[in-house]
Order: sequence, then C-alpha cells, then structure tokens
Amino acid sequence: SAVISQKPSRDICQRGTSLTIQCQVDSQVTMMFWYRQQPGQSLTLIATANQGSEATYESGFVIDKFPISRPNLTFSTLTVSNMSPEDSSIYLCSVSGNTEAFFGQGTRLTVV
Amino acid sequence: AQTVTQSQPEMSVQEAETVTLSCTYDTSESNYYLFWYKQPPSRQMILVIRQEAYKQQNATENRFSVNFQKAAKSFSLKISDSQLGDTAMYFCAFMSRSWEASEKLVFGKGTKLTVNP
Repeated sequence: SAVISQKPSRDICQRGTSLTIQCQVDSQVTMMFWYRQQPGQSLTLIATANQGSEATYESGFVIDKFPISRPNLTFSTLTVSNMSPEDSSIYLCSVSGNTEAFFGQGTRLTVV
Repeated sequence: AQTVTQSQPEMSVQEAETVTLSCTYDTSESNYYLFWYKQPPSRQMILVIRQEAYKQQNATENRFSVNFQKAAKSFSLKISDSQLGDTAMYFCAFMSRSWEASEKLVFGKGTKLTVNP
C-alpha cells in the first residue's frame, strides 16, 4: 500500500494567480498521476508524472497551464497557473500499486 | 481507448436493503483490472472492491460483491445490508495491465448513492 500526503487540503485564490499543490508518497513510485474533479463530476486525468522526464499530458491539458515537477521518486507538484473560476475543482494526486490505485485526500480549489 | 459508463446518476436505498450499481466498459484488451471506488463527502477515494479480468470468480468483500460479465463487458456492484455509512459517490474504474500501459485509471461518471434510515 501507499500513503499519500497532499497539501493544501483547500484554498481560495484570486483569479490570475497560481497555486502549487504538493504530493508526498511514503514509498518510491515510478509514476504519479494528477486528476481533476470538477464540481459534481468524475475524475479526469490531467497528466502522468515520471521522475527524470517531462510529464505526459492528456488531451485538453497543457504544460503552460498545469506545469508539473517530479524531482524524485516520492514527490511531485502540480501548479494551476493564471487561474480562472473555471479552474475551481478538486485536484487529486494518485499512485498505482500492482493491484490498485491510491489517492491523496485532494485539494479543493476555489477561484474567486 | 477505454471507456467506462455508469448509467445511474443517482440511486437510493433503505437501510438494511440491497442495492446494485451498474457499470459497463469498452476495451479491446484482455488483461486489466476493474474497480469500484467510494468517495464520501470527505473527498477521500476509498477502494471498495477489485476484479482481475482473467479471474472468472466474482470478487467479494464482506457486504460488497460484483457481478463480472467479461463477454458482456459488465461490472455491477451489489451492496447488501446497506448502512448509512455507505452513502457516497461510487465510481467504476478501469486499469489496463498491458505491458505498455501507464497504470492510469479511467473512471465512469459516478453514481450518487443515498442510504435512507
């Protein structure tokens, strides 16, 4: 199993600013995933973060808007840049074990 | 690309009764996992049950069981003796186990389950 610590748990931000979300795992993992969950919706994958290489972004998500860092095998950050109210969502960090995925507790972001 | 479909946006059940949540999926792969995750208001994603595609036997975890129909690509969740704490969003999810897969999850849209006293 894996224990994931994600912070902040929530934040209220002004439009046009940026927020960096941190994700710390208690074991070394190859891939870390960042998901977005818009209000009342399901989880959508933003990108896959591998240590030592550029993140792989899903269709509809771009690096300029969601830059990701992966400095080592236990840590990653997701930045939501130049925020607008449409970015108000829950952002979740995840890692996969052999037989299941583990999630952080999520960051609830409100952009005003 | 894989898709996961949950056709029931909301369901309700009386405490102690049984409820079944539906999920269908589409894939051309033969090696994969299917999951049901629960998300209570706390936002934490909690694994309810897992099914490996190559296992014919349906998975069971206490009050939770699945009906896995591989040919029909159907994966329903049955909750027996429903409890108030089962109230949550339930997501069906797919994970490829092919050698080139990234282990990412593909989620359905979710079913909001309310257990009434």
